[in-house]
Amino acid sequence: DADVTQTPRNRITKTGKRIMLECSQTKGHDRMYWYRQDPGLGLRLIYYSFDVKDINKGEISDGYSVSRQAQAKFSLSLESAIPNQTALYFCATSDRHKQPQHFGDGTRLSIL
Amino acid sequence: AQRVTQPEKLLSVFKGAPVELKCNYSYSGSPELFWYVQYSRQRLQLLLRHISRESIKGFTADLNKGETSFHLKKPFAQEEDSAMYYCALQGGSEKLVFGKGTKLTVNP
Repeated sequence: DADVTQTPRNRITKTGKRIMLECSQTKGHDRMYWYRQDPGLGLRLIYYSFDVKDINKGEISDGYSVSRQAQAKFSLSLESAIPNQTALYFCATSDRHKQPQHFGDGTRLSIL
Repeated sequence: AQRVTQPEKLLSVFKGAPVELKCNYSYSGSPELFWYVQYSRQRLQLLLRHISRESIKGFTADLNKGETSFHLKKPFAQEEDSAMYYCALQGGSEKLVFGKGTKLTVNP
């Protein structure tokens, strides 16, 4: 199921750098989401978007920003990366309320 | 508030044994509940949703509104079932709330 694609798959960078993680989908879904996964904490929602003009903060949005460039594209930015943002980041999509979400393969981000 | 609790971080069973992964939730309305599975180094995949009442890969889950639980069960565990399992709830908001996950290990 390669229809939710995240790039890059892995990234190592230094504290203070600006980083962008990208997500694109071919499922035609309106809703897109960014999560981070940390051991023992599960998945936590960073931002979500219902369409190009609608962006919403999730549980842990501080230190992150997003851009919904098109229905199919939703990018996540870390303006000035810090080590505690080291995590596995997932993008997900869904087509409407209370429908299952479809996940990408994740981006493993390490900040030194 | 919406909350999902998976009380076991780790669960280890032997092949062929029954397995039950617990999930309790807190939500005052009618929730939509899901189980997602994540095999090693792979993406999360939907395993079950309560509304469909399907059996996938031998797993079933029943919503118990009285006990606010949605436990995942399989009568005979297989080694390929070893994975992280996440219970998730979607209530009135658009947010899908995940539990912290249970790592299941099925030993030969």
